[in-house]
Amino acid sequence: DAGVTQSPTHLIKTRGQQVTLRCSPKSGHDTVSWYQQALGQGPQFIFQYYEEEERQRGNFPDRFSGHQFPNYSSELNVNALLLGDSALYLCASSLWFGLAGNQETQYFGPGTRLLVL
Amino acid sequence: AQSVSQHNHHVILSEAASLELGCNYSYGGTVNLFWYVQYPGQHLQLLLKYFSGDPLVKGIKGFEAEFIKSKFSFNLRKPSVQWSDTAEYFCAVNYGAGNNRKLIWGLGTSLAVNP
Repeated sequence: DAGVTQSPTHLIKTRGQQVTLRCSPKSGHDTVSWYQQALGQGPQFIFQYYEEEERQRGNFPDRFSGHQFPNYSSELNVNALLLGDSALYLCASSLWFGLAGNQETQYFGPGTRLLVL
Repeated sequence: AQSVSQHNHHVILSEAASLELGCNYSYGGTVNLFWYVQYPGQHLQLLLKYFSGDPLVKGIKGFEAEFIKSKFSFNLRKPSVQWSDTAEYFCAVNYGAGNNRKLIWGLGTSLAVNP
């Protein structure tokens, strides 16, 4: 049973560039959430995708966008990179239980470490 | 806004000492509660979770947590820590449902266990 996988593991970009990070959810999961984790901090929620739609969004600018594919995998895109975007980007997958359910447990991938120079 | 507070930012213990990490949240409705651990250089792993039922939940590696609704708390405990427990510990609280549910994270507690 494959867990959550992310690619690439590390990435170095320069200011102003664009980056795409990828995530494959745990087998059987249909929901993907993305987080940014700065060094020494807790995860900060970026957005969550279910049924190929962005369902929730945290306090991140429009430079951060995403996509979910029919196979439930997901991409995180960041445009016009800033130095402050340097962080570990985490993907978490879970099952969406619909409006009535809230027993969601998120499982995390190893993350992509992004360095912006 | 809802929040999750972890009172201890840095904890240093010797092996075999007992551990208790505090977690308090501010939401008064139904919540699901989680503790995650992040070992050095590794990804976040689920330690334990509480949805309903027995308020004392047991997780992996000998950890347990107690949900005290009246105190809005979900403290993590381990009777005897090991050097391998050195890690960052995060409390997270999930409230709401469907599109309105939120998973709120504490800032984390860094635990260092001296051999």
